Amino acid sequence: QVQLQESGPGLAKPSETLSLTCTVSGYSISRGYYWGWIRQPPGKGLEWIGNIDHGGSTFYNPSLKSRVTMSVDTSKNQFSLKLNSVTAADTAVYYCARVAHLVRGITIFTWFDPWGQGTLVTVSS
Amino acid sequence: QSALTQPASVSGSPGQSITISCTGTSSDVGGYNYVSWYQQHPGKAPKLMIYDVSKWPSGVSNRFSGSKSGNTASLTISGLQAEDEADYYCTSYTSSSTLVFGGGTKLTVL
Repeated sequence: QVQLQESGPGLAKPSETLSLTCTVSGYSISRGYYWGWIRQPPGKGLEWIGNIDHGGSTFYNPSLKSRVTMSVDTSKNQFSLKLNSVTAADTAVYYCARVAHLVRGITIFTWFDPWGQGTLVTVSS
Repeated sequence: QSALTQPASVSGSPGQSITISCTGTSSDVGGYNYVSWYQQHPGKAPKLMIYDVSKWPSGVSNRFSGSKSGNTASLTISGLQAEDEADYYCTSYTSSSTLVFGGGTKLTVL
């Protein structure tokens, strides 16, 4: 059974960098799939942040691309998110998830499953 | 990229059927059969309910069904049950090789 677990500081200061890690169990990241980050501000909807595969190939939300870096550590079966220059608007529950995809000349992302339980990150001084 | 458009709320009585719409453009919903739907109960992570417009993941009730016409995808829940009360989100692949979510719909079971 594939399980994902987010970890990282629950508090980040404005203008600093938010860093989170997702640990995958029950499935080797190196076997395939993409791995993604999604966030949800309190009381609001879901927002896709980006996806990464075991080789480090990344796709980011254009609205966040300038501030986002995703990385993968296959030896630890983990992938990570860094979001720099954070503001209060980045306060959210951050989820990691496995992302199904197809390759049809281009990479097509299809669905997220399973998801981690989510972790709340608050941006405040 | 703009969020897909969903109604803010829908409601129905137990046993009834309801439909939630998800409207995009020809660059996302209308251009690809890669729409998925997620159910989210308060304080919980989203759960995949439908993928590739109308396919069921293992373990999901067939009371949930999906369809698409043009730029609008739909999730229908038949035989409404109290446990179906939750928020529902659609998502679609886009022509920019990205993913976009809908704004979410709150389902109330009366």
